[in-house]
Amino acid sequence: EVQLVESGGGLVQPGGSLRLSCVASGFTFNTYEMNWVRQAPGTGLQWVSYISSFSDTIYYADSVKGRFTISRDDAKNSVYLQMTSLRAEDTAVYYCARAKIGSGFDYWGQGTLVTVSS
Amino acid sequence: DIQMTQSPSSLSASVGDRVTITCRASQNVRTYLNWYRQKPGKAPELLIYAISRLQSGVPSRFSGSGSGADFTLTISSLQPEDFATYYCQQSYTTHMYTFGQGTKLEVK
Repeated sequence: EVQLVESGGGLVQPGGSLRLSCVASGFTFNTYEMNWVRQAPGTGLQWVSYISSFSDTIYYADSVKGRFTISRDDAKNSVYLQMTSLRAEDTAVYYCARAKIGSGFDYWGQGTLVTVSS
Repeated sequence: DIQMTQSPSSLSASVGDRVTITCRASQNVRTYLNWYRQKPGKAPELLIYAISRLQSGVPSRFSGSGSGADFTLTISSLQPEDFATYYCQQSYTTHMYTFGQGTKLEVK
């Protein structure tokens, strides 16, 4: 069974940092592209970042470029999102999602809540 | 950047109804159009990919159609678990995946 489990969310002050983790199981992790998607309270889905299976291609949404860093450790079946210079508008549930090439995101984690507030 | 616009933003219907949700892209996304359902408090789930391909395990009451920049999601006979929010997504530009704003399907 494919599973994605996020962790690392919490309350952080504006300007602070946080590192999210997503541990995968049930599939050959190093052959899949991975993404982070977020959802602010009461709003829709916003794609945040993408990492290819070999980590050679990485993309970010303009709203997080320069502040967030995606990475993966295939030995640990994990993908990470390092978030710095956090702002109130980064408050959201963050999901990791497995990408099915050209076909959308076929598996999602349960999400982890990040709250940026003083 | 490709913008995705869904209509309507909300929709009221009853169990057993046939409903259609539309999604328009700001440019041609070829076959790279996907649909998700998100139940309250849950993660999204992939329903349809590549315009019309049903994801494994998804009931056949869901179908997708369209081409180029105009697409539709149809639910042939609404079930209680279908009252949720639906999102389209383009995966044509992997450097900037984009979701529609969502369509909330509510009980009439």
